[in-house]
Amino acid sequence: DTAVSQTPKYLVTQMGNDKSIKCEQNLGHDTMYWYKQDSKKFLKIMFSYNNKELIINETVPNRFSPKSPDKAHLNLHINSLELGDSAVYFCASSQDPGPYGYTFGSGTRLTVV
Amino acid sequence: AQSVSQHNHHVILSEAASLELGCNYSYGGTVNLFWYVQYPGQHLQLLLKYFSGDPLVKGIKGFEAEFIKSKFSFNLRKPSVQWSDTAEYFCAGNNAGNMLTFGGGTRLMVKP
Repeated sequence: DTAVSQTPKYLVTQMGNDKSIKCEQNLGHDTMYWYKQDSKKFLKIMFSYNNKELIINETVPNRFSPKSPDKAHLNLHINSLELGDSAVYFCASSQDPGPYGYTFGSGTRLTVV
Repeated sequence: AQSVSQHNHHVILSEAASLELGCNYSYGGTVNLFWYVQYPGQHLQLLLKYFSGDPLVKGIKGFEAEFIKSKFSFNLRKPSVQWSDTAEYFCAGNNAGNMLTFGGGTRLMVKP
């Protein structure tokens, strides 16, 4: 069983479109995250969410919004896609923001054309 | 600001060579430190972690790391690398209750 699963694996779309990436974890973890990995492999935290609190990295444009229907899911919605949004997006989860480390999904490669 | 930095951006080694990748952190107080590996086209996988106890931590695939508080360092080591170790390596850290912050990554290429 995949611990953290993301769909789709690849997403190619035109500028201006709205798209969503889904993430599900079956580990019973309390907290989920979205990271963006750019072409230079730099990983940047976008969001952290548990059932109590959403923490947003202030540098993330408000075109990006996380939606969590339940504890096991954290979807990423992106409005009005721009060329610069092209990247690999990773979902992750952890038992607690602490010493446990994160379990990552396999990533979604988003290409905006 | 709390951060993690990796100074080696690209490392090229021959098989059987020894490896040491640098990682420095700037957290105060109690710190949790991690090394992740990302093989080409794949997701990040946890190699090892430190949060307390023995500062020499052993992980999977023969990797180890040493937490040296006086140097704010958590360098990754492997005595003899293999071609299959070719990957991107990320150091990460946090304080309790905070999100993981990643270093910029080190691309390791092992020549057969």
